[in-house]
Amino acid sequence: QKEVEQDPGPLSVPEGAIVSLNCTYSNSAFQYFMWYRQYSRKGPELLMYTYSSGNKEDGRFTAQVDKSSKYISLFIRDSQPSDSATYLCAMSASSGNTGKLIFGQGTTLQVKP
Amino acid sequence: SQTIHQWPATLVQPVGSPLSLECTVEGTSNPNLYWYRQAAGRGLQLLFYSVGIGQISSEVPQNLSASRPQDRQFILSSKKLLLSDSGFYLCAWSLFEDTQYFGPGTRLTVL
Repeated sequence: QKEVEQDPGPLSVPEGAIVSLNCTYSNSAFQYFMWYRQYSRKGPELLMYTYSSGNKEDGRFTAQVDKSSKYISLFIRDSQPSDSATYLCAMSASSGNTGKLIFGQGTTLQVKP
Repeated sequence: SQTIHQWPATLVQPVGSPLSLECTVEGTSNPNLYWYRQAAGRGLQLLFYSVGIGQISSEVPQNLSASRPQDRQFILSSKKLLLSDSGFYLCAWSLFEDTQYFGPGTRLTVL
């Protein structure tokens, strides 16, 4: 069993839809959770960073962490064609020098105009 | 602000040839540095990480090596490339928190 599971998609939605992207994990020690967005042939860019459980909102993006269920989500409101990309979840157990992240496989999202 | 550079952006190399990919970070001191490989349709695989000059940790045994000759320079090398070395190579940096910031990547094709 992989430490982090993420549905690879592809996920196709119409413009303006609410998108829900999810990851599940098995390691209860994970405390730091991130979402990255990766456009085709580009490096991943950090979208959201959360510590422990709870919600965090940034514009059209909301990240949720449910540690009891070992489940994290990224919601995108009013989705735009420019949101079409691969979304990677990442997490780690420790803060410190190494900061090694465990990544999900990534979910490919297509927002159709 | 911090900036991370990688070069070359694209590389096509024959099997058995050497490899040198370079990554540099601007605007920060003593960052942690990382090399990842991303194969088509697959997730990110951590190859090497470094917490300081000359300090390299290898995550996956293979024919690749890494070096950190300067504080903000990270180099990925191979003496003889294999077909399986093809992929998208990403350099990343972080400070003491866990958030990592990625470079633009190098797309390597081994023929």
